[in-house]
Amino acid sequence: TQLLEQSPQFLSIQEGENLTVYCNSSSVFSSLQWYRQEPGEGPVLLVTVVTGGEVKKLKRLTFQFGDARKDSSLHITAAQPGDTGLYLCAGASSGTYKYIFGTGTRLKVLA
Amino acid sequence: EAGVVQSPRYKIIEKKQPVAFWCNPISGHNTLYWYLQNLGQGPELLIRYENEEAVDDSQLPKDRFSAERLKGVDSTLKIQPAELGDSAVYLCASSSRTSGGNEQFFGPGTRLTVL
Repeated sequence: TQLLEQSPQFLSIQEGENLTVYCNSSSVFSSLQWYRQEPGEGPVLLVTVVTGGEVKKLKRLTFQFGDARKDSSLHITAAQPGDTGLYLCAGASSGTYKYIFGTGTRLKVLA
Repeated sequence: EAGVVQSPRYKIIEKKQPVAFWCNPISGHNTLYWYLQNLGQGPELLIRYENEEAVDDSQLPKDRFSAERLKGVDSTLKIQPAELGDSAVYLCASSSRTSGGNEQFFGPGTRLTVL
């Protein structure tokens, strides 16, 4: 069974601080996605990474896919209250469209 | 363009009662997913449809859960009878392979409370 462990599980920081969320697995994924989910809503896709070592930036968010395609990280620079939410990684194995979601990281950014 | 529509948004029932959730995916999306999400955790896939065919229902508890997507468009997920442990948010998502990737578009979910 593929498992995607995210750390930390909870994170509460002050506005302006930087943070990194990790997504780790013992399995290799052909692609990995990051989603953000706000209360009462479904997850919304932020990024998809498919190449080992790939780095993608989305404004203040930087996503990296591990060289071995088993792990990923999400770094947020100068966090803002609007970044508050549940961050989820999701990985898919080669040849499938089945994404396994991670355990989630709940981020709260205080003004 | 309308997003994924789910109804009802909230449902409270007593244990052993039946319940049904409805999902209308984004127009043209051939793949439809039903997920279960417990509070603060990641979604867990229950069933995935390609058009009207259920291609992955390995995680669906078939003794009490059933789903259908008769015309390959909207879908219904049913639980009968519901148990206390079924309290969760049930998410529907859809995607289209023609877009070149596999971005899943999620609905807002149905929050089920079983008393």
